[in-house]
Amino acid sequence: DIQMTQSPSSLSASVGDRVTITCRASQGIRNDLGWYQQKPGKAPKRLIYAASTLQSGVPSRFSGSGSGTEFTLTISSLQPEDFATYYCLQHDSSPPTFGQGTKVEIK
Amino acid sequence: EVQLVESGGGLVQPGGSLKLSCEASGFTFSGSAIHWVRQASGKGLEWVGRVRNKANNYATAYAASVQGRFTISRDDSQDTTYLQMNSLEVEDTAVYYCTRNVPTTPNWFDAWGQGTLVTVSS
Repeated sequence: DIQMTQSPSSLSASVGDRVTITCRASQGIRNDLGWYQQKPGKAPKRLIYAASTLQSGVPSRFSGSGSGTEFTLTISSLQPEDFATYYCLQHDSSPPTFGQGTKVEIK
Repeated sequence: EVQLVESGGGLVQPGGSLKLSCEASGFTFSGSAIHWVRQASGKGLEWVGRVRNKANNYATAYAASVQGRFTISRDDSQDTTYLQMNSLEVEDTAVYYCTRNVPTTPNWFDAWGQGTLVTVSS
């Protein structure tokens, strides 16, 4: 199985901060990666697909980059509604695997 | 609007069985693969298994942690997928979500149900 190593596991940030989350795949996954946001008690919501394509309706402050084994999710200016847990998901090979999650908390 | 709705969760004793359902609407269900993903309280997301579409022979695959105990099936006439869980263990306690992927499209895990809670406890 492909291992997805996500970092950091948590971070504290202030409204307006730039935030970057990284996922590293144990082997190349082309651009078969998505980023998800999950709030407590809710299902995950897809933000980014194909590593860098913004899901319709998602604010443009979210962006994704990378290919192969290194990927990043960037929030350019953190907003109050962005405090949540973020996960990466690879679907290049079966089984699909998630990163461990990054909890973004208020500083 | 694409919708997935899970049902069937509840409290079950260790060693018991439970069957979850996932009813779909708003898209061509028969063309999609359906996956189950679970999340224990305070933990991350864990893929459980999937069933592919008819064109892919309804092929199933499972995580090692549930292989031999869980079975996924589908009824395309009802736009519904099922997760039969047998020999349940305390460690299977989690919220179970269904999600989809549509082959040859970007629609990988783009829509999720609201989740259904399974509690395995004596």
